Amino acid sequence: LAKTTQPISMDSYEGQEVNITCSHNNIATNDYITWYQQFPSQGPRFIIQGYKTKVTNEVASLFIPADRKSSTLSLPRVSLSDTAVYYCLVGPFSGGYNKLIFGAGTRLAVHP
Amino acid sequence: KAGVTQTPRYLIKTRGQQVTLSCSPISGHRSVSWYQQTPGQGLQFLFEYFSETQRNKGNFPGRFSGRQFSNSRSEMNVSTLELGDSALYLCASSLAESGGALGKETQYFGPGTRLLVL
Repeated sequence: LAKTTQPISMDSYEGQEVNITCSHNNIATNDYITWYQQFPSQGPRFIIQGYKTKVTNEVASLFIPADRKSSTLSLPRVSLSDTAVYYCLVGPFSGGYNKLIFGAGTRLAVHP
Repeated sequence: KAGVTQTPRYLIKTRGQQVTLSCSPISGHRSVSWYQQTPGQGLQFLFEYFSETQRNKGNFPGRFSGRQFSNSRSEMNVSTLELGDSALYLCASSLAESGGALGKETQYFGPGTRLLVL
């Protein structure tokens, strides 16, 4: 599985856009990039998944450059409720390999 | 559609006892995975079950075991509990659809069972 590197923590203010970048230099051809959000004492919640270019849903956008060695999760206009830990995962999430390897994640603190 | 449910939500046990945790996956999901989360080690994969068979296993001692039933519900058991087993135990389910798009398998997590070993 490709190892990921992301910042340990980030601070932001309500209403700002937050971009969290994840490095995955040895990503494999069949690897997808997935982001999860976790609040204290809760299970991680799936945010977004992508393979290349840009993916957008109602919660976030995911930008993946052509070389796929990094990815950026973009959270538009954050609120206090976006304070959480964000995990970037890279792997072949196909049937037969549902073994997610979580790193330390990025602890995002949103301030008033 | 109902999400992943886990019971019980909270549990207190003493050293040496055993515990069984239960997980009901999202309807139609065939794969169930278990994870342990502690402040020191973070989120760690325990094992995964698919069609009542364990097909992936993490690096945990044999005291940790699990099983899956024909309706995809899963249980995990920890025997001879140690203080270090105190953790949030999370269950996640996914479709594991054969023939599905390679690499596109999202796991959905339950709220977890908080286990405290005294």
